[in-house]
Amino acid sequence: DAKTTQPPSMDCAEGRAANLPCNHSTISGNEYVYWYRQIHSQGPQYIIHGLKNNETNEMASLIITEDRKSSTLILPHATLRDTAVYYCIVRDVTSGTYKYIFGTGTRLKVLA
Amino acid sequence: EAGVAQSPRYKIIEKRQSVAFWCNPISGHATLYWYQQILGQGPKLLIQFQNNGVVDDSQLPKDRFSAERLKGVDSTLKIQPAKLEDSAVYLCASSFIQGAPEQYFGPGTRLTVT
Repeated sequence: DAKTTQPPSMDCAEGRAANLPCNHSTISGNEYVYWYRQIHSQGPQYIIHGLKNNETNEMASLIITEDRKSSTLILPHATLRDTAVYYCIVRDVTSGTYKYIFGTGTRLKVLA
Repeated sequence: EAGVAQSPRYKIIEKRQSVAFWCNPISGHATLYWYQQILGQGPKLLIQFQNNGVVDDSQLPKDRFSAERLKGVDSTLKIQPAKLEDSAVYLCASSFIQGAPEQYFGPGTRLTVT
C-alpha cells in the first residue's frame, strides 16, 4: 500500500502558485519523497525528489517539513498544461528493488 | 533522445484470448519496468528487470502473465488467457540504473477485455 495521503482533487487559477500537500507520517529515515505527474493519456513524468532539505528545479519546488512527516509540491506559476494527476511517493533507497508504490494522487485542475 | 516506445497503443480482445505488448526502453537504460494502471488508480508495478534478469515480480499474476527481456533491451509482456479484470493501461518505463530517481514512462497500451 502507498504510504502517502493526498487530497483527491484541487483547483488552481492560471498564473497562481499551486501548492499540493502530501502526508507521509510513517516515513522512515531511508525513504525519500518523490513527485510525479500524469497528464491525461500519457505516462507519469518525474518532477522532483528530496530527503530532508527543500529542493527546487525548473519544474517545481519541494518543501519538506522538519519532522519529514509531510511535504508540499509548489508549482510557482501554474499553466493550463499543468492540469494533471500528481503523485507523491516515498521510496526506501535501501530496499534493493527501489520500488515505487503509487497511490491515487491529487487531480489538479488549472482554471483559466 | 528518443523516449520509451510501446506498441500497440490500443488493443481490444475477448476474454480467454491472449495478447502481447512490446516495449523499447531508452537506449542505455539498464532497468525496465512494467506497470498496470486500472482506471482511477495509480500505476502498480508488475515486474522489474535489471538488464535481462528479473529483480521483482512479486505483483505479477504468474498464472496468466509472463514477461521477458531476452537481450537486455526490448521487452514483451504477455497475458494468456485474459480476464475482464485485466482491462487497464499497461505502462512500460525505464531508468538508467536501478534506483535512479527518474523513471521514464512510455505512452502505455490501453487494453480492453470484453
